[in-house]
Amino acid sequence: SAVISQKPSRDICQRGTSLTIQCQVDSQVTMMFWYRQQPGQSLTLIATANQGSEATYESGFVIDKFPISRPNLTFSTLTVSNMSPEDSSIYLCSVPTGGGFGDYGYTFGSGTRLTVV
Amino acid sequence: AQSVTQLDSHVSVSEGTPVLLRCNYSSSYSPSLFWYVQHPNKGLQLLLKYTSAATLVKGINGFEAEFKKSETSFHLTKPSAHMSDAAEYFCVVSRNTGNQFYFGTGTSLTVIP
Repeated sequence: SAVISQKPSRDICQRGTSLTIQCQVDSQVTMMFWYRQQPGQSLTLIATANQGSEATYESGFVIDKFPISRPNLTFSTLTVSNMSPEDSSIYLCSVPTGGGFGDYGYTFGSGTRLTVV
Repeated sequence: AQSVTQLDSHVSVSEGTPVLLRCNYSSSYSPSLFWYVQHPNKGLQLLLKYTSAATLVKGINGFEAEFKKSETSFHLTKPSAHMSDAAEYFCVVSRNTGNQFYFGTGTSLTVIP
């Protein structure tokens, strides 16, 4: 299965600033996903990032707040913009295991633990 | 629409006793079902998956789950708990060939020595 490198692993940021999270995959994948895991909560899908097209955002998430780039088939970034303490979460990227459509599950990055002060 | 309900937010068992983590799903289509484990400060790890093959699925670390369509359940079990099993467990459903992955709210497993 794919190996995902995600960075930074953690950061503490001032409110009102932005943080860009990077996700690098060791193989080409069509779909990449970004999730948020708020403290003590489950994972919530933020958006799906396909190379060559605009990201598709889930209800409650907007591009102005979480802009995503997907310049090629192995890399994506998620930016958390104009941060507030409510954005303190773990952010994870994910790809379909085996590069397919998720029939075999998904592989997750180790996550970025963001604290906004 | 797809969704999963994990019936217990916290489960405590003694070391060496059986583990049962309950999951019910709702799906308009033939679902794929997964269990993931998340150890403290670690990434998510796939335990096992059901993708319309055998209804009893064996995973890693001695875990298994049985897909019961009549009960819309996919409960996770292990005959004998180990201290290293203490973690957060997530039941996940997706459409077959779909790219939507829906997480349950998680069950925190505590293993008492």
